[in-house]
Amino acid sequence: GAVVSQHPSWVICKSGTSVKIECRSLDFQATTMFWYRQFPKQSLMLMATSNEGSKATYEQGVEKDKFLINHASLTLSTLTVTSAHPEDSSFYICSAREDLLYGYTFGSGTRLTVV
Amino acid sequence: QKEVEQDPGPLSVPEGAIVSLNCTYSNSAFQYFMWYRQYSRKGPELLMYTYSSGNKEDGRFTAQVDKSSKYISLFIRDSQPSDSATYLCAMSVTGNTPLVFGKGTRLSVIA
Repeated sequence: GAVVSQHPSWVICKSGTSVKIECRSLDFQATTMFWYRQFPKQSLMLMATSNEGSKATYEQGVEKDKFLINHASLTLSTLTVTSAHPEDSSFYICSAREDLLYGYTFGSGTRLTVV
Repeated sequence: QKEVEQDPGPLSVPEGAIVSLNCTYSNSAFQYFMWYRQYSRKGPELLMYTYSSGNKEDGRFTAQVDKSSKYISLFIRDSQPSDSATYLCAMSVTGNTPLVFGKGTRLSVIA
């Protein structure tokens, strides 16, 4: 089945620095990828829809200047958390879909801790 | 009313029991329905995928969709301790729209 690779799996950074998270679709092309955020014991909340070759679409309340999304190729989308603060600490997960015959596949997630 | 309602549990069952998980939804436009299993600190893993109404079986798992009632279910037969996880229902309107998730149900299968 489809595989989505996400890196890094965890990262600790200092407040004020930026962190980049990569999401790759392996063996399939993904014109659309989705980025979610999950707080402990909470469900996944959609942050933005990443479209290859165009600007991402952000959900209401998500700061596009803080969470920069780049979908430069059909197999790679990146999420950069800029000027990170402790309240940005969370579990970030990406997803993509290979085919309408299959459901969405998720990456393994990135646990971000800002200290 | 939230778009997707799911009892968060926790749900605790003995090993070998049949587990029934369910979600209700309000948007009649949803056509794609999925169940995911998520272990702690991991990304969700797709278990079942159904388009429109009907039943689907895969091993010990059976998914049911009743669009008339806006109700979906996941049944786990012969539950195992390794099934202990959070189960999330998710649905979308079209094949390319984002998923809307339930809150997830925490399941513990006791040996």
